[in-house]
This record gives sequence, structure tokens and C-alpha cells, in this order.
Amino acid sequence: KQEVTQIPAALSVPEGENLVLNCSFTDSAIYNLQWFRQDPGKGLTSLLLIQSSQREQTSGRLNASLDKSSGRSTLYIAASQPGDSATYLCAVENYGQNFVFGPGTRLSVLP
Amino acid sequence: NAGVTQTPKFQVLKTGQSMTLQCAQDMNHEYMSWYRQDPGMGLRLIHYSVGAGITDQGEVPNGYNVSRSTTEDFPLRLLSAAPSQTSVYFCASSRGGSPLHFGNGTRLTVT
Repeated sequence: KQEVTQIPAALSVPEGENLVLNCSFTDSAIYNLQWFRQDPGKGLTSLLLIQSSQREQTSGRLNASLDKSSGRSTLYIAASQPGDSATYLCAVENYGQNFVFGPGTRLSVLP
Repeated sequence: NAGVTQTPKFQVLKTGQSMTLQCAQDMNHEYMSWYRQDPGMGLRLIHYSVGAGITDQGEVPNGYNVSRSTTEDFPLRLLSAAPSQTSVYFCASSRGGSPLHFGNGTRLTVT
């Protein structure tokens, strides 16, 4: 059974810092991995999707990497801003379109 | 495009009552799914569908029914609500290999 974990569970940083969020999964036979952002009381918004054949994806200040063989992904956020404060979740898509989510990292960026 | 639309946004039920949570998408996505999100438990898959007429169980299907008669709609039915079904419910859709799109959620309380 696929299990997804995220470290740290919560993170508080001053504005301007670069930071790394970690995601680990137990079964490397994945179709892709996605990173999402969730604001309080809202749904999830997709940030980046990395296909299993790719090593990384970038969007603006966000960069996500994937090491399928070791079951790890990282989300790098450059020059963090207070507007980045949210919960960040990773999810792996197993073959058969079965998505498994991690518990999330709650990020606070202090002005 | 409206994306993924969920109704209602809030609902309070008494134990034993039934109700249907509605989900509709206008992106012609073949994949649709229902999740529940509980504190400390993350997002858990209830049911999913890979196309009209096809449904399958996820991690926590007990107490819930689904059907997929059209590509656009994927309703979730609670036949006899229980307090353990108090949660926030999210509907999501995607096309194979593309990002997962979420609705804004339905907050359900069962008393």
C-alpha cells in the first residue's frame, strides 16, 4: 500500500528566506507526483506536476524535484513572501489513477 | 470555464438522514473522485471514476455510494448519515496525466 509522508509538519520562516519542503513515498511505481497549495477553508490548487520520467519542474519561484528510485520529492520556494503562507500537500498518482496524499506542511511566512 | 463545482458549501444533518453531495465539472475530464479531509488524517479517497458508467472504491468507501451517468457529474450519496461522517468533502477531476482540479469543498456536520 502506498504511503506518503511530509516533513516538516509545520514551518515558520521570516520573509525572504529560501525553504525546502520534503515529501516521501513508499512505492516507486508512480505515474506522477503533484504539489498542491491549500489556503484555509479552500480547495487545493495544483502548483507543479512532475511526470515519473522527469527529474524536476519549475514555475516562477517554485521548483520541484523528483527522485523516484529513492521515493523522494522536494519543493523549493525561493525568496518566500507572506502570501506563500498556506498548507502544501504532495500527492502521488499510482497507475490506475489512484491518488495518495501526504498530510501536508503548514507554512507561515512572517513579514 | 467554471472548473469543478460542488454544492452545497455547508450542510448539517441529523444521524440517519440521507443526502447527496453534488459535483460537476465542465472540462471534459474522464477522471473524477471524492475525498474527505479530516484533521490529522489528511485527504482520503472515498470513490473514484475513470469514465461514465465506471466507478470504483477508494480507501474509505463504507457509508457512501456514487454513480457516474454522465462525464460531467459525479454525485456522492450518504444513505444514513453518522457522526463519523462529519468532515470536509472535496471533489476533484483530471484528464490522464494532467493536474488534479479540486472544487471548494462541502463542510458536512452530522449531529
